[in-house]
Amino acid sequence: IAGITQAPTSQILAAGRRMTLRCTQDMRHNAMYWYRQDLGLGLRLIHYSNTAGTTGKGEVPDGYSVSRANTDDFPLTLASAVPSQTSVYFCASKPSSRMNTEAFFGQGTRLTVV
Amino acid sequence: AQKVTQAQTEISVVEKEDVTLDCVYETRDTTYYLFWYKQPPSGELVFLIRRNSFDEQNEISGRYSWNFQKSTSSFNFTITASQVVDSAVYFCALLAGGTSYGKLTFGQGTILTVHP
Repeated sequence: IAGITQAPTSQILAAGRRMTLRCTQDMRHNAMYWYRQDLGLGLRLIHYSNTAGTTGKGEVPDGYSVSRANTDDFPLTLASAVPSQTSVYFCASKPSSRMNTEAFFGQGTRLTVV
Repeated sequence: AQKVTQAQTEISVVEKEDVTLDCVYETRDTTYYLFWYKQPPSGELVFLIRRNSFDEQNEISGRYSWNFQKSTSSFNFTITASQVVDSAVYFCALLAGGTSYGKLTFGQGTILTVHP
């Protein structure tokens, strides 16, 4: 059982370049989320999707975009990377957006923008 | 708006000591859920516990226990007889009602180091 798979595991990216972080889950979860983790700030929500075909903005959406063409995939795109986007990115999913279900997290993608 | 505060940035203890990680939350919703996650050095996030706002019973799971007090908006986590394997970053998180669509609000995290 793979759960949630994120790729790449880590990446060094030149500022100004475009980058897509991939997230795939095999649990048929409806809700998916992207968080970034920064020291002293915990995890902050970037974008979310309650179900395939819908997306929404989280707490820190600027500079990022997402799509949800199907249930399994939820890619996160940085159109033009900047150093402040250096972070660890976590993808998460839940069976539904209902409150009483815990989120399952991927292993994270460590991104360094130079 | 929802907010979670973990005032302890770092805690260092010696093995076998008991340690309590504090978590204070803010929400105007009457229905909400609280979570604790563990992030070991390997980096993944491991779910530990979920508690809903209508259940204030404390919970014990092995060496772990959780104290939920609505009167003080706190959901503290205690590790009894700590072990080196407990060294990790611990996150408290809040999931509230309304239009939150299941989005977790995390605290800043507490880095726990258990020395042998």
